[in-house]
Amino acid sequence: EDKVVQSPLSLVVHEGDTVTLNCSYEVTNFRSLLWYKQEKKAPTFLFMLTSSGIEKKSGRLSSILDKKELSSILNITATQTGDSAIYLCAVAAGAGSYQLTFGKGTKLSVIP
Amino acid sequence: DSGVTQTPKHLITATGQRVTLRCSPRSGDLSVYWYQQSLDQGLQFLIQYYNGEERAKGNILERFSAQQFPDLHSELNLSSLELGDSALYFCASSVSYSGGETQYFGPGTRLLVL
Repeated sequence: EDKVVQSPLSLVVHEGDTVTLNCSYEVTNFRSLLWYKQEKKAPTFLFMLTSSGIEKKSGRLSSILDKKELSSILNITATQTGDSAIYLCAVAAGAGSYQLTFGKGTKLSVIP
Repeated sequence: DSGVTQTPKHLITATGQRVTLRCSPRSGDLSVYWYQQSLDQGLQFLIQYYNGEERAKGNILERFSAQQFPDLHSELNLSSLELGDSALYFCASSVSYSGGETQYFGPGTRLLVL
């Protein structure tokens, strides 16, 4: 059974801090790893990492895939209160379909 | 706004009832995925349709069924509802089912079974 584990489950930081969120996975036939941000309702897409694209950056957010360690990190620098959300890691695996297996998420709270 | 729409936003019903959730994918997307999100289980994949055909099944109960219509919108039918079915139900869409491309999520339907 495919498994995605995120750590920590919850994190409280002050504005301006840098945070690192972790995601590890055990899946059969890995295809890609995706990061989503979930505020109030729908998860919104952040990054997709694959074997051919192991590092992505957008503004203060960046992510790296370590295929050897079967893990990924999501870094957020100079955090703002608007970064407060649940960050979800998901892995697409399998042959013939790309259903996502999600981790339980990391709840990030950024306080002023 | 992801471009994926879901109706209704909220649904309150009683145990034993049947409900239908509707999803319209982004323009051009052929794949639709249904997920259930509950507090204790997180986001769980239920079922995927691609261009009208079922492609993959996850942890979907026999009381639940789905279909995708020729105009590519999809419906998730939940019957003989139980208290434990209360959850957020998300629909996501992607262009195809190959290549590991991004899935874009709709706003969800919050179902409360009383």
